Amino acid sequence: AQRVTQPEKLLSVFKGAPVELKCNYSYSGSPELFWYVQYSRQRLQLLLRHISRESIKGFTADLNKGETSFHLKKPFAQEEDSAMYYCALNNQGGKLIFGQGTELSVKP
Amino acid sequence: EPEVTQTPSHQVTQMGQEVILRCVPISNHLYFYWYRQILGQKVEFLVSFYNNEISEKSEIFDDQFSVERPDGSNFTLKIRSTKLEDSAMYFCASSESPGREREAFFGQGTRLTVV
Repeated sequence: AQRVTQPEKLLSVFKGAPVELKCNYSYSGSPELFWYVQYSRQRLQLLLRHISRESIKGFTADLNKGETSFHLKKPFAQEEDSAMYYCALNNQGGKLIFGQGTELSVKP
Repeated sequence: EPEVTQTPSHQVTQMGQEVILRCVPISNHLYFYWYRQILGQKVEFLVSFYNNEISEKSEIFDDQFSVERPDGSNFTLKIRSTKLEDSAMYFCASSESPGREREAFFGQGTRLTVV
């Protein structure tokens, strides 16, 4: 079964603290994984994808096939990082399978 | 920057009524999608659409749902006889292709409330 799990509904950290948003997946093929972000009252937007191996707004995510994980990390959280974060898997046909989402709250 | 546009932003309808949710995808995109998010739950795939036909649909997308691209720019989701449980945020998305490195761009969503 294709599934994405984000175990934390809410993650609250102080500004400057490291952040790790967890994502685990279940997929029989070669996964294509993404992190989407939704800032307050805005649309879902792509944050990063595992293929590009890029760092966006200081966030990185590494695909670990052995642990079937794609955790999102940032060494020093900023208040403007507060948002809903969704891990998603593309089933190659374009369909995105989303996790439940994690609300990140960065306190001053 | 081009955006996916959805109208209306909020729709209230009576149970049993038909609703049409509208989307204008990004103009050079070829693949279109509808997702929904019931309050407090995850974003769920409903249907994908390419070359004027459905390419994939979920078990949620039953006979009460239909999609069409009536005029080459709009992409609509019709719910024939709404139920209370259809109340959700509905997101439209489009992409150049479904393949690798093709980002799906999302609209701002339509909140559907069935009373």
